[in-house]
Amino acid sequence: QKEVEQNSGPLSVPEGAIASLNCTYSDRGSQSFFWYRQYSGKSPELIMSIYSNGDKEDGRFTAQLNKASQYVSLLIRDSQPSDSATYLCAVDLNTGFQKLVFGTGTRLLVSP
Amino acid sequence: DTGVSQDPRHKITKRGQNVTFRCDPISEHNRLYWYRQTLGQGPEFLTYFQNEAQLEKSRLLSDRFSAERPKGSFSTLEIQRTEQGDSAMYLCASSLGTGSQPQHFGDGTRLSIL
Repeated sequence: QKEVEQNSGPLSVPEGAIASLNCTYSDRGSQSFFWYRQYSGKSPELIMSIYSNGDKEDGRFTAQLNKASQYVSLLIRDSQPSDSATYLCAVDLNTGFQKLVFGTGTRLLVSP
Repeated sequence: DTGVSQDPRHKITKRGQNVTFRCDPISEHNRLYWYRQTLGQGPEFLTYFQNEAQLEKSRLLSDRFSAERPKGSFSTLEIQRTEQGDSAMYLCASSLGTGSQPQHFGDGTRLSIL
């Protein structure tokens, strides 16, 4: 079992729709979770961090965390073509120095 | 507020050559990380510095790889006797050393081995 799993996609949504991206992780001791966006050929860009169970909203983005079920999700409301990218889920293994383990990413395609 | 800076952006070299990459973290960040990313994969952790001390190295980091962070400022990653399998994007990230602050990535160095 991989430490962090994501569906590779692509996930295709029309412009204006809600995109839902999911991530599961194996280490129950993990405490910190991050979503990064990566455009093709570019480096990862931090979108959201979440540390507590529940929802965290920032603009069009909402991160959801359920530690009991060991999953993290990212919702993108009013999706735009510019949101088309690969979304990486990263989990801090709680080693004390924030060693991140990344999933393989989900490719999102937003069609006009 | 400048971000994480990496140099060079691209490096093409022949197999067997040595290469060195540089990373300048965000100025107030005392944690610095190196990752490697290949096509279709997420970044993989290579090594971590807290100030000038290298505190963690991945098993992925063979003895051909060495990293330094003199004086706790910029960092260098050197690969000796490069191999075809070293072709990847090498990413540097930095963060504040308190709690679980998010890591911010540089633009990366893309290494191609001929």
